[in-house]
Amino acid sequence: GDSVTQMEGPVTLSEEAFLTINCTYTATGYPSLFWYVQYPGEGLQLLLKATKADDKGSNKGFEATYRKETTSFHLEKGSVQVSDSAVYFCALSHMNTGFQKLVFGTGTRLLVSP
Amino acid sequence: GAVVSQHPSRVICKSGTSVKIECRSLDFQATTMFWYRQFPKQSLMLMATSNEGSKATYEQGVEKDKFLINHASLTLSTLTVTSAHPEDSSFYICSASEGWGSYNEQFFGPGTRLTVL
Repeated sequence: GDSVTQMEGPVTLSEEAFLTINCTYTATGYPSLFWYVQYPGEGLQLLLKATKADDKGSNKGFEATYRKETTSFHLEKGSVQVSDSAVYFCALSHMNTGFQKLVFGTGTRLLVSP
Repeated sequence: GAVVSQHPSRVICKSGTSVKIECRSLDFQATTMFWYRQFPKQSLMLMATSNEGSKATYEQGVEKDKFLINHASLTLSTLTVTSAHPEDSSFYICSASEGWGSYNEQFFGPGTRLTVL
């Protein structure tokens, strides 16, 4: 079945450091790929998405590129801020479920210190 | 963005009792609602999908009689954990979307922490 693998956290960075959170997936065909973010005490929020190979999703300085050849969707940000501290989830969905069923990775906690 | 609330945020109950968790879409009509379960350091696992006015569709391995889902209106879905036991202790998260078919963004609630003693 479909699955998503994320790097284990926590990832601890200083403010203005470069961020990479790795995500790889296993799925048949061409799933849509997502990054969700969960701030403390809040629900998951969609951060960015990509629906086909080589698409780049971007939002709030975060970027991720859909790499079909490496089945990856790594999240990057050039300069993190303290306010980026949160848990980040990589996820996929498939046309054969009407794109409704989301399969999540385990989440990666990011801690940014001043 | 759209807001989804859950109530209660935390609940502690005795083994054998039933617990109801509410999920509400506050500023949009939720055609479809989803219930997830999350164990510590594990990903969110989809339990069931419900469309307003229809019976919920449960994922394989989820007991329908233990986890009762009702989606009676376009703004409210409830999850009832019946005869709860300590192994049902978990973090339950709902989400809601406005459509079905092509991709419709899911908006997530903040979750409910259930502890069964």
